[in-house]
Amino acid sequence: QVRLVESGGGVVQPGRSLRLSCAASTFRFSDFAMHWVRQTPGNGLEWLAVISNDGTEKNYVDSVKGRFTISRDNSNNTLYMQMNSLRGEDTAVYYCARDIGPFISLAGCMDVWGQGTTVTVSS
Amino acid sequence: EIVLTQSPATLSLSPGERATLSCRASQSVSSYLAWYQQKPGQAPRLLIYDASNRAAGIPARFSGSGSGTDFTLTISSLEPEDFVVYYCQQRSNWPLTFGPGTTVDIK
Repeated sequence: QVRLVESGGGVVQPGRSLRLSCAASTFRFSDFAMHWVRQTPGNGLEWLAVISNDGTEKNYVDSVKGRFTISRDNSNNTLYMQMNSLRGEDTAVYYCARDIGPFISLAGCMDVWGQGTTVTVSS
Repeated sequence: EIVLTQSPATLSLSPGERATLSCRASQSVSSYLAWYQQKPGQAPRLLIYDASNRAAGIPARFSGSGSGTDFTLTISSLEPEDFVVYYCQQRSNWPLTFGPGTTVDIK
């Protein structure tokens, strides 16, 4: 069964950093673009970033640009999100999701999602 | 940024009834609109992509239509497991954006 499993969430103080991981299994990870999406009770679903299948192209929403970095390791079937300078408004459940295709130019439809990992930014 | 508006916010229906959910975009997204279902405590699940294409494994009672700025998700006959939240999402422009959701609850 196609599977994505996030990890790395937790409680962190404002201004600190956290790295999320997303382990993929039972599909050819290097064939697909990948996304990070977060969800808060108040703001619903917010798309954060996408990375192409080979890692050469990336795109971000403005609210995290310059603070968050998406990356991937195709040899280990793992997606990452490095989150720096965390703020209270970054508190959310973070999901990784697989795109239906490999390229950013055609990306934006997410057919497989992980179960989510919770990040709480609080002093 | 393209803003998606969903209506109604809550739809109260009975099992077996037909559900019609709307999504309106602040500018044209062509046919680049998807619908997701989210059950409590779970991740969203892709139902429909590019306005009218059912994703793999999605029952035929789910259908999508529309183009440009106005889209509709129809559930032809509600099953008990369909009483959850539905989101639309556009992939026409960056950043990708989601609507605020429509909750379908039991009347």
